[in-house]
Amino acid sequence: KQEVTQIPAALSVPEGENLVLNCSFTDSAIYNLQWFRQDPGKGLTSLLLIQSSQREQTSGRLNASLDKSSGRSTLYIAASQPGDSATYLCAVEGGSQGNLIFGKGTKLSVKP
Amino acid sequence: DAGVTQSPTHLIKTRGQQVTLRCSPKSGHDTVSWYQQALGQGPQFIFQYYEEEERQRGNFPDRFSGHQFPNYSSELNVNALLLGDSALYLCASSYVDNEQFFGPGTRLTVL
Repeated sequence: KQEVTQIPAALSVPEGENLVLNCSFTDSAIYNLQWFRQDPGKGLTSLLLIQSSQREQTSGRLNASLDKSSGRSTLYIAASQPGDSATYLCAVEGGSQGNLIFGKGTKLSVKP
Repeated sequence: DAGVTQSPTHLIKTRGQQVTLRCSPKSGHDTVSWYQQALGQGPQFIFQYYEEEERQRGNFPDRFSGHQFPNYSSELNVNALLLGDSALYLCASSYVDNEQFFGPGTRLTVL
């Protein structure tokens, strides 16, 4: 059974810092991995999607990497801003394509 | 393009009642998936509809049922509500098995 773990559960950093969020999964047989952002009480906004054949994806200040063999992904946020404060969720699309399996998220707080 | 829309935004019900949540997919999408997100948890997959049929189902009881209409919109029905059904219900749409796009969710509170 696929399980997704995100570490840390919460993170507080001063504005301007570079930071890394971690995601691990137990079964390396995945179709893709996706990072989402969720503001309190809101829906999910897709940040980056990495296909299983890819190693990384970049969008602006965000970079996500994928190491399928070790079951790990990292989301790197450069020059963090208070507007980056949110919960970041990692999800894998595994054995049943179309079924996303999520971690519990990392709650990020960026202090001005 | 309106994106994925869900209604209602919030809903309050009492134990034992039944509820229907609605989802309209993003233009061009034909597949709708439903997720339940309890407070402080990641979303959990309920089921997925494609071509008006339930294609996949997660580990949820039969009290949770759904429907997809010819225009690809979808409903999630929950019968015999329990306190533990209180959650944010998220709908996601995609074109077949491509990237899923999520709606804003419906917050269900069961008293």
